[in-house]
Amino acid sequence: GAGVSQSPRYKVAKRGQDVALRCDPISGHVSLFWYQQALGQGPEFLTYFQNEAQLDKSGLPSDRFFAERPEGSVSTLKIQRTQQEDSAVYLCASSPHGQGSSYEQYFGPGTRLTVT
Amino acid sequence: ILNVEQSPQSLHVQEGDSTNFTCSFPSSNFYALHWYRWETAKSPEALFVMTLNGDEKKKGRISATLNTKEGYSYLYIKGSQPEDSATYLCALADRAAGNKLTFGGGTRVLVKP
Repeated sequence: GAGVSQSPRYKVAKRGQDVALRCDPISGHVSLFWYQQALGQGPEFLTYFQNEAQLDKSGLPSDRFFAERPEGSVSTLKIQRTQQEDSAVYLCASSPHGQGSSYEQYFGPGTRLTVT
Repeated sequence: ILNVEQSPQSLHVQEGDSTNFTCSFPSSNFYALHWYRWETAKSPEALFVMTLNGDEKKKGRISATLNTKEGYSYLYIKGSQPEDSATYLCALADRAAGNKLTFGGGTRVLVKP
């Protein structure tokens, strides 16, 4: 069956440009997470959706980062006025259950963003 | 802020040898520990979700143990093969925060033929 997909897989942006990263979770999955992985580090939490509700956005590094999941399925992570420090791999993950479950998360392949 | 640490950062293993590496985490308010394998250019793949102290889980040649009282988990690879080359990530799940994961820095394993 289809797993989590992300697009684009690679994105090069000039400093100051806006970018939009898309995540298609597994159909029917309630939870959706975004993580950011900087070079040489483990992924770090950005934000969490349960269906269409954004329940936690504590990991978003600045107000230039915005995420949405308007119909409880596809999600978009938008970064405005990109900076060099935004260069990272952005991972999306989904899970069939909501809060209170220790279920595994299913990850997409990530989008590698390079800001020049 | 949860602090999850993995050691070593990288590991070279001869094909056929067995190896293991560590994930350490705060033992208070433990909920669940996840292990993932991440091969280059692919999606991170879930290996185990461990919740009980003393838990041991196995998948093929890979196994993991969990000690929640002292705050560590070991991942073992028996008879390493080149296809085991990957970064192995552990992550602590935070029940109070929708099960978001706090990852360690990973252990990069390279199996040499």
